[in-house]
Amino acid sequence: DVKVTQSSRYLVKRTGEKVFLECVQDMDHENMFWYRQDPGLGLRLIYFSYDVKMKEKGDIPEGYSVSREKKERFSLILESASTNQTSMYLCASSLEDFYSGNTIYFGEGSWLTVV
Amino acid sequence: AQKVTQAQTEISVVEKEDVTLDCVYETRDTTYYLFWYKQPPSGELVFLIRRNSFDEQNEISGRYSWNFQKSTSSFNFTITASQVVDSAVYFCALGINNAGNMLTFGGGTRLMVKP
Repeated sequence: DVKVTQSSRYLVKRTGEKVFLECVQDMDHENMFWYRQDPGLGLRLIYFSYDVKMKEKGDIPEGYSVSREKKERFSLILESASTNQTSMYLCASSLEDFYSGNTIYFGEGSWLTVV
Repeated sequence: AQKVTQAQTEISVVEKEDVTLDCVYETRDTTYYLFWYKQPPSGELVFLIRRNSFDEQNEISGRYSWNFQKSTSSFNFTITASQVVDSAVYFCALGINNAGNMLTFGGGTRLMVKP
């Protein structure tokens, strides 16, 4: 079974702090993603990466950055946390394309509260 | 650009009732992929089904069935004889083959099944 592991389930951080959310997948997937989930808005893509050291902006990248130094690890960074970044963050991974019957696998999510 | 609409934000049914969750999508791509995910209270998104745009065959899996209609751009999900364990948030998503292979999600439908 594919395993996507997010390092922290629940975090409480102060405004202005630098926050790291870590994600590791164990299936040698090329693609990794960070989504943010808010009530009524569904999941919105923050950043994704299709290879080591490669990154692309998603729909809502402002206030976030990412790092992918190794294939299995994809980190989301909040340089200076703000209260409007209080949310549930979901990491996901997948093989290269949908055509071959692949899907996207998600981690359990990280609940971040910024006070 | 892709768009997925789940008009029902919340549905409440009594156990053993049938329930249909609606999903309408928009895309200009002729090849695309549709997904349903279930998110129980634990937070992890669980993959339920994937359907390719070139395959309009409906699918049944136990109490779950999916009705894909390209003519109306809909991919509806029906649970027959609902159970309390079906209570969750359900997401419909659309994917196209491109760099990164990301999914566009609907806003989700919260299903509450009461005993």
